[in-house]
Amino acid sequence: TQLLEQSPQFLSIQEGENLTVYCNSSSVFSSLQWYRQEPGEGPVLLVTVVTGGEVKKLKRLTFQFGDARKDSSLHITAAQPGDTGLYLCAGVHYGGSQGNLIFGKGTKLSVKP
Amino acid sequence: DTAVSQTPKYLVTQMGNDKSIKCEQNLGHDTMYWYKQDSKKFLKIMFSYNNKELIINETVPNRFSPKSPDKAHLNLHINSLELGDSAVYFCASSFWGGNTEAFFGQGTRLTVV
Repeated sequence: TQLLEQSPQFLSIQEGENLTVYCNSSSVFSSLQWYRQEPGEGPVLLVTVVTGGEVKKLKRLTFQFGDARKDSSLHITAAQPGDTGLYLCAGVHYGGSQGNLIFGKGTKLSVKP
Repeated sequence: DTAVSQTPKYLVTQMGNDKSIKCEQNLGHDTMYWYKQDSKKFLKIMFSYNNKELIINETVPNRFSPKSPDKAHLNLHINSLELGDSAVYFCASSFWGGNTEAFFGQGTRLTVV
């Protein structure tokens, strides 16, 4: 089973701080997706990165896919309380069963006002 | 109009009982999934159905059985419930193929007492 390791597992910061969440694997993925999950809800897709080295921005969120397509990072600038939630990375297995998202264990982010 | 809806949202039942969770999607997707999220928030795939065929069956007990009457529905039947089955179960759907976004339902919190 190809695993996606996310770090840190928990992150508690003050409003206005910057943070980075990492998603690493020894396997190559055809793409990596980032989801955010709020309490009592299902995960919601934030972004999909497909090309090695790709960088995507979503307002204060910056996503990067590693050159070798084995890792990804999510950077949040000037975090706000509304960013609080569980961030999940998910890989689409390269060359394997299509449609099978493999999830990391998530990073629980808490942003305090 | 909810894209992926699952019922019930909460389910409390005794050990040994048999229960079902229903899922419906109105997105026209051809693939549906069941995920289990444990108390540590780890999201793990259980099953996926593509065009009414079981594509992936991870190592879950055979007490769990997915039933898909049509492309828009994927129900989860659980026989002889055990305490360890307590978790949040998420239904999701997507188009078959790489880099595809999965849309999740709100989850069913199953508690076995």
